Amino acid sequence: GENVEQHPSTLSVQEGDSAVIKCTYSDSASNYFPWYKQELGKRPQLIIDIRSNVGEKKDQRIAVTLNKTAKHFSLHITETQPEDSAVYFCAASNNNDMRFGAGTRLTVKP
Amino acid sequence: GAGVSQSPRYKVAKRGQDVALRCDPISGHVSLFWYQQALGQGPEFLTYFQNEAQLDKSGLPSDRFFAERPEGSVSTLKIQRTQQEDSAVYLCASSLRFTEQYFGPGTRLTVT
Repeated sequence: GENVEQHPSTLSVQEGDSAVIKCTYSDSASNYFPWYKQELGKRPQLIIDIRSNVGEKKDQRIAVTLNKTAKHFSLHITETQPEDSAVYFCAASNNNDMRFGAGTRLTVKP
Repeated sequence: GAGVSQSPRYKVAKRGQDVALRCDPISGHVSLFWYQQALGQGPEFLTYFQNEAQLDKSGLPSDRFFAERPEGSVSTLKIQRTQQEDSAVYLCASSLRFTEQYFGPGTRLTVT
């Protein structure tokens, strides 16, 4: 089955800096890669996703890149703000199920 | 419109008790997923329904876990003879197609 690994597990940046979170997956059949943001005690919220037919997608300060050959994808947050502080999860789906990474706790220091 | 709802939000059970957790998906969403999230971990896949059909239950940790969605809308996750290691947040998610999943608020289960 699919195995998703996520790094780093914790990330601390200064406000205004960029943050990068990386994930790798094992199933070459995976074709959909969402990223979720989860604040303490709340439900995961989809922030951006990418499908296997594109290499990059951007939405304001958030971008995701996908390298299918290497089976890895990354989340990039620019101009970080304190409200970006949360746990971020990557996931990979092959249309049969979805597997999540273990999460990255991002702290943005003002 | 209304999002995914789950009930109860919190459940405390004594070890050995049975519990039932309910998920109301977004209306019209054919796919429904259950996940278990331990503290500080990512959601772990439990099972997946397409309408009333349970297409994948490979993530259910033991035969004490059972899920159903008899009419293709509301789903119930049942845990029999609860054990302390069952303590976690149980998340339900639904999607119109398989891709974008929308999560409910979760049920926090504590087994004492």
